[in-house]
Amino acid sequence: DAEITQSPRHKITETGRQVTLACHQTWNHNNMFWYRQDLGHGLRLIHYSYGVQDTNKGEVSDGYSVSRSNTEDLPLTLESAASSQTSVYFCASSPGGFEETQYFGPGTRLLVL
Amino acid sequence: GESVGLHLPTLSVQEGDNSIINCAYSNSASDYFIWYKQESGKGPQFIIDIRSNMDKRQGQRVTVLLNKTVKHLSLQIAATQPGDSAVYFCAENQAFNQGGKLIFGQGTELSVKP
Repeated sequence: DAEITQSPRHKITETGRQVTLACHQTWNHNNMFWYRQDLGHGLRLIHYSYGVQDTNKGEVSDGYSVSRSNTEDLPLTLESAASSQTSVYFCASSPGGFEETQYFGPGTRLLVL
Repeated sequence: GESVGLHLPTLSVQEGDNSIINCAYSNSASDYFIWYKQESGKGPQFIIDIRSNMDKRQGQRVTVLLNKTVKHLSLQIAATQPGDSAVYFCAENQAFNQGGKLIFGQGTELSVKP
C-alpha cells in the first residue's frame, strides 16, 4: 500500500548540531509539507513544496531548510539546532490540483539539549 | 491574520452519546474544509472534508455541517465510542489562492467515558 513515512521517529541532539529529518511518500503526490506541533500552537507550517525543485517558506521557516530532488522525498534540515526547535515534526503530502486533502506521516519527536 | 479556531478546547461525553465539535473560521474566501483526528503519538488522520458549495456531508458515523453565513463548521460523531477519544482539528483552505496550504485550528480534545 502507498504510504508516507518519517525517520527517525525519535531523535535527541545537541544545540548547534545539524539535523536532517526524512520524509518519504509513495503516493506520487506533487505537494509535500512540513509542520511542527507544539502545545498551545497546533500545527504550524515550516516549508512546503509543489513539485521537484520547488520549495517555499511557511510561517515558521527560520532555522529550517528543505530540498526536493525527487517526487517521493522532502528532507527537513535544521541547520544549527536550537532548544526552541524541540518539537514534534509532521510531514504531509497531497496530490495537488483540486485534491487538497493532506495525508500525514507518523511524526518525528525531536529533543534538542 | 485570518485563522481557524475552535469554540471548546475539551469535550467529555458518555459512550454511546453523540458528540459535536465546533469550529469557527474567519476567512470568508475559504472554500474547502477538513476534519482530522489525532490520537496520542500519531499523526493527524483524515476524517471527512466538505467544500463550500455544500452545507452537509456524511460519512460513517460522522457528519460535517458548514454554515457559511456565520462561518461555522461542526463535526458530529454518532454513538461515540472509546476509540473516538482523540484531538480533533479543523482545517481550512483556499484551494486556488493558497495552493493547497491548510490553516489548522488549535484542536479539541474529545474524551469518551465508558
